[in-house]
Amino acid sequence: QSVLTQPPSASGTPGQRVTISCSGSSSNIGSNYVYWYQQLPGTAPKLLIYRNNQRPSGVPDRFSGSKSGTSASLAISGLRSEDEADYYCAAWDDSLSGPNVFGTGTKVTVL
Amino acid sequence: EVQLVESGGGLVKPGGSLRLSCAASGFTFSNAWMSWVRQAPGKGLEWVGRIKSKTDGGTTDYAAPVKGRFTISRDDSKNTLYLQMNSLKTEDTAVYYCTTEGVVVTAPYDYWGQGTLVTVSS
Repeated sequence: QSVLTQPPSASGTPGQRVTISCSGSSSNIGSNYVYWYQQLPGTAPKLLIYRNNQRPSGVPDRFSGSKSGTSASLAISGLRSEDEADYYCAAWDDSLSGPNVFGTGTKVTVL
Repeated sequence: EVQLVESGGGLVKPGGSLRLSCAASGFTFSNAWMSWVRQAPGKGLEWVGRIKSKTDGGTTDYAAPVKGRFTISRDDSKNTLYLQMNSLKTEDTAVYYCTTEGVVVTAPYDYWGQGTLVTVSS
């Protein structure tokens, strides 16, 4: 059972802005970096955001990340059909014996 | 270009064993910390375990559900990562991904392989 909670789904029309939340606690998001991964249908996940709000080379600036307290958010602006995917947050949890834990995942649908 | 290619998946009976391999290229494998992450059919992502580089001790960590049954190892001369899975259970059925840690950016799982499917069923 994941310690990071995300809404199961989110949707928007092309061009809209969609925001996905990731809720944690003081032992994970509250004291560590947050990462976001995008998983397109039938493919492996890909790193989308690291260290709360940094984009790896090649990731469009339509994707942005933020963190406040024990929650984090991923925003997709100018939504495109190719953004339809599953999105997962992740963060180190100081109270667990292993590295980063993943969020429950959010399916983004482009209407 | 970083490439990770997993192999070794397949159908195995409960209680059986399987060894997965991950061939790495495009980066200095011997310096890299590597992880295995799995995804059960229709479910989310779950970290399985990690191995540090030999210069950082080469130690391993495992998630609670697989500890004592799975073993991660590496052969730096072959640029290959392994996952030995013993005493397999039906709940181990998943796609297993090989991932890098901090190879290009300071982030866990910054690169992923295409995954290999392990099905545990009688």
